[in-house]
Amino acid sequence: KAGVTQTPRYLIKTRGQQVTLSCSPISGHRSVSWYQQTPGQGLQFLFEYFSETQRNKGNFPGRFSGRQFSNSRSEMNVSTLELGDSALYLCASSLGRVGSGEQYFGPGTRLTVT
Amino acid sequence: AQSVTQLDSQVPVFEEAPVELRCNYSSSVSVYLFWYVQYPNQGLQLLLKYLSGSTLVKGINGFEAEFNKSQTSFHLRKPSVHISDTAEYFCAYQTGANNLFFGTGTRLTVIP
Repeated sequence: KAGVTQTPRYLIKTRGQQVTLSCSPISGHRSVSWYQQTPGQGLQFLFEYFSETQRNKGNFPGRFSGRQFSNSRSEMNVSTLELGDSALYLCASSLGRVGSGEQYFGPGTRLTVT
Repeated sequence: AQSVTQLDSQVPVFEEAPVELRCNYSSSVSVYLFWYVQYPNQGLQLLLKYLSGSTLVKGINGFEAEFNKSQTSFHLRKPSVHISDTAEYFCAYQTGANNLFFGTGTRLTVIP
């Protein structure tokens, strides 16, 4: 079974630009969650999509948005990039049942904002 | 509010020595507890999880953890570490939603 894939793996953008990251979950998984990892703030939850609907949201500004398609693939968009958005963005897929703990993470997209 | 605290940011240990990575949780409701590992330039991998039942949980790569309700702890242990165990380890919890809340991480360095 193929794992979670994220594209691109590395990205360099300029302040003020926007960026779209993509995540393909494990086949059969309907939930995709996004996390931001930075040295200062650690791992923080951005949002979760389940069956094309945002089911849960972390404490991030509206510049961070996402969507999920009917094949469960998900995209995350960040508009008006700031230097502080430089981070590793991780996507995790799961069946979506609370308490199962079986969230499978992709390798991440490393975003650098200059 | 719920939270997890990883008491050590860095733990150096010699190869083949035992190791314990400490995690304390704070919660007024039932939580599910996890340990994840992150190798350099990779995503996170689930080591083990505690949902209910037996308080001693065995995971992959020879790791185990014990859920201690009275001490609100979920420490990760391995009796003999290898060089390949060098990585960052995260304690995490989950409550009523599917998302995970992570601790700040413990960097384990195994010294040859």
